[in-house]
Order: sequence, then C-alpha cells, then structure tokens
Amino acid sequence: ELKVEQNPLFLSMQEGKNYTIYCNYSTTSDRLYWYRQDPGKSLESLFVLLSNGAVKQEGRLMASLDTKARLSTLHITAAVHDLSATYFCAVGSFQGAQKLVFGQGTRLTINP
Amino acid sequence: GAVVSQHPSRVICKSGTSVKIECRSLDFQATTMFWYRQFPKQSLMLMATSNEGSKATYEQGVEKDKFLINHASLTLSTLTVTSAHPEDSSFYICSAEGAETQYFGPGTRLLVL
Repeated sequence: ELKVEQNPLFLSMQEGKNYTIYCNYSTTSDRLYWYRQDPGKSLESLFVLLSNGAVKQEGRLMASLDTKARLSTLHITAAVHDLSATYFCAVGSFQGAQKLVFGQGTRLTINP
Repeated sequence: GAVVSQHPSRVICKSGTSVKIECRSLDFQATTMFWYRQFPKQSLMLMATSNEGSKATYEQGVEKDKFLINHASLTLSTLTVTSAHPEDSSFYICSAEGAETQYFGPGTRLLVL
C-alpha cells in the first residue's frame, strides 16, 4: 500500500527566510504532484514531476524529485506572506487509473 | 487550462435527505473522474474512481450504497449522498483525469443538520 508522508506538518516562518518541505513515499511511482490549498478553497496545481532528477521552479517555489530515495522537496525562497497556505504532495499510483495518494499536508504560515 | 466545475458549491440539508453533487469538465472530455472528501484540517481521501459508462470503483471503507456515483457522459459525473447524516458533513472535491495530471473542481461544502 502506497503511503505518503510530509514533514513538517506545520511551519511558521518569517518573511524573507528559506525553508524546505519534504515528501516521502513508500513505493515506486512515476509521478509526483505538489498542490496548494487556501482556506475554504480547492486545490491549485503547482508542479508535476515525472522523472528522477526533475526540478521545476515557479517564482519563489522550487520542487525536485529523487525517485531512488522516494523523496520530493518543495523549497521556498525568500518567503512572502502570500505564500501562506497548506501545501500537499501527492503520488501517482496507477491501478487502472492514475489514482493519487496525498500526504497529510503542510500548513505554512509566513509572518511579516 | 482545463476547467472543472462543481455544483452546488455549498449545501445545507436535513438529516435523512439525499444530496446530489455534480462535477463537470468544461473544456475537455474525461473518461475518468475521481471523488474525494476532506474533513477540516485533514488531507484529501479518495472515495471512488468514476468511469464513464461503467460502475464506479470504491475505496475500501466507502459505502457504495450510501455514496452513489454516476458517470453518464464524458463531461459529467455525479455523487449522491443518500440518507445523509451529520457525520457526512465534509468538503467534497472532484477531479477529472487529464493527460499528465488531475484537474480539481472548486469543491462542495456539505453540512448536514
């Protein structure tokens, strides 16, 4: 059974600082996703990582994937308040359809 | 980009009634859609996989007779919560499978009194 674990689950940081969220998963998968969720809202797709060594960047966020270690990271550079949200990683598990198994989510609060 | 809509966005109902939630892919066809539920401050849990023209596949622990799923066309899947109870109150989110990713709807917040 595929399990996905994120850490930390809660993260409070100051504007301007850097930090990394980690996503570990238990079985082989060929794709990993990062999503953002604002309170009361649905999911916003951030990144899709499809291969070992994949790195994608958008603004202050950068995601990477190491399939051998079964680890993905979401790095935040020089955080700003607008990045406050809950971030989920999800791993694809192909069972007839591309199911997603989600991590617990990391609630990020960025303080001025 | 691909857009998925849900209707209604919010619904309040009395215990014992049934509620239907619609999920539509607006600008693409989706053979497969997914239904998730999310309790406050928790992650998304997959309830079922909805396949156009065939029966849905339910995850372990999800009652198929309580959560009825119909995927009658390539752009519409519906989830009916039958005989709803307060413990069914949750945020229900659908997604439609695209080429590389799933596209998520805006969610439906269900409150059962």
